[in-house]
Amino acid sequence: SQTIHQWPATLVQPVGSPLSLECTVEGTSNPNLYWYRQAAGRGLQLLFYSVGIGQISSEVPQNLSASRPQDRQFILSSKKLLLSDSGFYLCAWSLHGTGAGYTFGSGTRLTVV
Amino acid sequence: AQSVTQLGSHVSVSEGALVLLRCNYSSSVPPYLFWYVQYPNQGLQLLLKYTTGATLVKGINGFEAEFKKSETSFHLTKPSAHMSDAAEYFCAVTDSGGSNYKLTFGKGTLLTVNP
Repeated sequence: SQTIHQWPATLVQPVGSPLSLECTVEGTSNPNLYWYRQAAGRGLQLLFYSVGIGQISSEVPQNLSASRPQDRQFILSSKKLLLSDSGFYLCAWSLHGTGAGYTFGSGTRLTVV
Repeated sequence: AQSVTQLGSHVSVSEGALVLLRCNYSSSVPPYLFWYVQYPNQGLQLLLKYTTGATLVKGINGFEAEFKKSETSFHLTKPSAHMSDAAEYFCAVTDSGGSNYKLTFGKGTLLTVNP
């Protein structure tokens, strides 16, 4: 069966520090991969999605970047965190061309101080 | 562009009462529709989905939803609320065509269940 792993679960980082959040999927190949952010009271904001290795689409220009170095690995990064980067970050995957929807990871609570 | 509107950012019901969470969508092509539930500090979990076929779909935890094309709605219901249903609920839509890798989410409805 397919599983998605996301870590760390919580993170407290100072302003200006770098960020790396990792997400991996097991049990499937060539998934679509997604990074979302939830800020309090603001719903789900799609940050990046990827339909294949090295293919990254950005939905919102901001202080973050994403990479997909391997088929089932998706990384969210920042060189210098801002206070506004605080939030709950969710990774998700889906299959191509199906109506299966997304499967979400358990999320990372990022607090920038 | 697709959009999803969830009426009511916060719904409060008594334990044992009917739960009704409203979702309306706009889509230029036949949609796929989803409801997700999120418990505090957790990821989203799929409750149910509509793709094709029967318009009344049943999901986990006793929830169901009905796709009404004429009303462009996909409301979520449960006959009798339980304390464990307290969570945030998200409706989402994608189109059934080739670009269905992107879901559009509503802003969510926080369900509170009172004893």
